[in-house]
Amino acid sequence: GAVVSQHPSWVICKSGTSVKIECRSLDFQATTMFWYRQFPKQSLMLMATSNEGSKATYEQGVEKDKFLINHASLTLSTLTVTSAHPEDSSFYICSASLGGPAKNIQYFGAGTRLSVL
Amino acid sequence: TQLLEQSPQFLSIQEGENLTVYCNSSSVFSSLQWYRQEPGEGPVLLVTVVTGGEVKKLKRLTFQFGDARKDSSLHITAAQPGDTGLYLCAGARSSNTGKLIFGQGTTLQVKP
Repeated sequence: GAVVSQHPSWVICKSGTSVKIECRSLDFQATTMFWYRQFPKQSLMLMATSNEGSKATYEQGVEKDKFLINHASLTLSTLTVTSAHPEDSSFYICSASLGGPAKNIQYFGAGTRLSVL
Repeated sequence: TQLLEQSPQFLSIQEGENLTVYCNSSSVFSSLQWYRQEPGEGPVLLVTVVTGGEVKKLKRLTFQFGDARKDSSLHITAAQPGDTGLYLCAGARSSNTGKLIFGQGTTLQVKP
């Protein structure tokens, strides 16, 4: 299957600092990547759709200035949590789509555990 | 509004028992995926169903897509402790650009 790498897997930061999370498709090109947030024992909440070479599409209620997304290449999307606060602590997961006929199949990274002190 | 209702949300059973997880919607999906997620990891794709009435088997797991493509089920036979995890169904609408609508998830615990 397609492999998606997410880095870092765990990050602890001080309140007010910014944190960047990388999502890479290792063996395929992904024109579309997705960023999710997940709370303990809950399902995934879509934050935004990241399209290569264009602006991300954010879901309702997600602050685009707070969660900056950049999809500069066909294999890399980044999520930057700016001026992080304790309420931003969560599990963030990215996914990538193969596109074309398989556009509805998403392959997920291993997730990033963010803890803001 | 939750477009994909998944039930039950929590299930604790003994090893060897059978179980079924359901995902229901009033909307039609072009495809539906089932994922399994372990704590601290990302979801792993188990299966994709596309055709109404389709049945797919993966060892002890049987997946079914409803005839009208509005619902799906996952049946596990003779559950084992290794089946423990969060099971997620996710539907794709034909008009979207790859976005998935996720169910609430089913946390399964299989006790030895």
